[in-house]
Amino acid sequence: QVQLVQSGAEVKKPETSVKVSCKASGYTLSDYYIHWVRQAPGQGLEWMGIINPSGGATSYAQNFQGRVTMTRDTSTSTVYMELSSLRSDDTGMYYCVRGLGGWRDYFDYWGQGTLVSVSS
Amino acid sequence: AIQLTQSPSSLSASVGDRVTITCRASQGISRALAWYQQKPGKPPKLLIFHASSLGGGVPSGFSGSGSGTDFTLTISSLQPEHFATYYCQQFHDYPYTFGQGTKLEVK
Repeated sequence: QVQLVQSGAEVKKPETSVKVSCKASGYTLSDYYIHWVRQAPGQGLEWMGIINPSGGATSYAQNFQGRVTMTRDTSTSTVYMELSSLRSDDTGMYYCVRGLGGWRDYFDYWGQGTLVSVSS
Repeated sequence: AIQLTQSPSSLSASVGDRVTITCRASQGISRALAWYQQKPGKPPKLLIFHASSLGGGVPSGFSGSGSGTDFTLTISSLQPEHFATYYCQQFHDYPYTFGQGTKLEVK
C-alpha cells in the first residue's frame, strides 16, 4: 500500500535550519510529484512548494523562496525539505503529500506529519 | 495568487442534517478543485477531486459540484464521524492555495 513516512519531531532554535525527510513506499517515487504543506498550530494549510522526483525540478511558494530547499534521493525513495533561518512562526506541522501533476495534481496521500518547534 | 474563500468558517449541525459548504475562487480555476477532511491530530484526507469526483474509499454521502469560481461540498446526512474541519484547495496554478477551513461542530 502507498505510504509516505516522515521523520520525527524536531525542536530548533531561531536562525538554525531543519531538514525533514519523507520516504515513499508502495509506488514508484518518480511517477508522482511531492509537495510540502505546512500547518501552524490551530491554523489552516499552506502550500510550500513542489519537487518532481524525476529530474529534481522544484517550484517554491514566494513566502518560502530563499529559505526552502527540496531535494530527493531516488535510490532510497526519499524526499527532503530543508527550511533555513528558522523563526518562531515556522513552528507547525509539516506534511509531504503526493500529486500526479497538472490536471491530476490533487493530494491523494499524505505523510503523517512532522512537528517542528522553533523556540529560543 | 488565487484566493479561496470558504463559507461558513464554522457550522453547528446535528446528526442527520444536510450540510453545504461553499468555496469561492478569486479567478476561474475550471474544475481544478479538491476538498479535504481533517480530524484533530491527523493529516487531511482527500474527499473530492476535480470538483465532483469522489476520492477512493470516500462514502457516497459526500458530493461536490461547481466549476469556474463557485464550488460546493455537500454532506447529505451528517454522521458522527463527519464532525471535522473541511478545506478546499485549488491546483490550477502555483502557488496552490487552500481555503481557510470550515469547522463542522455538533449542535
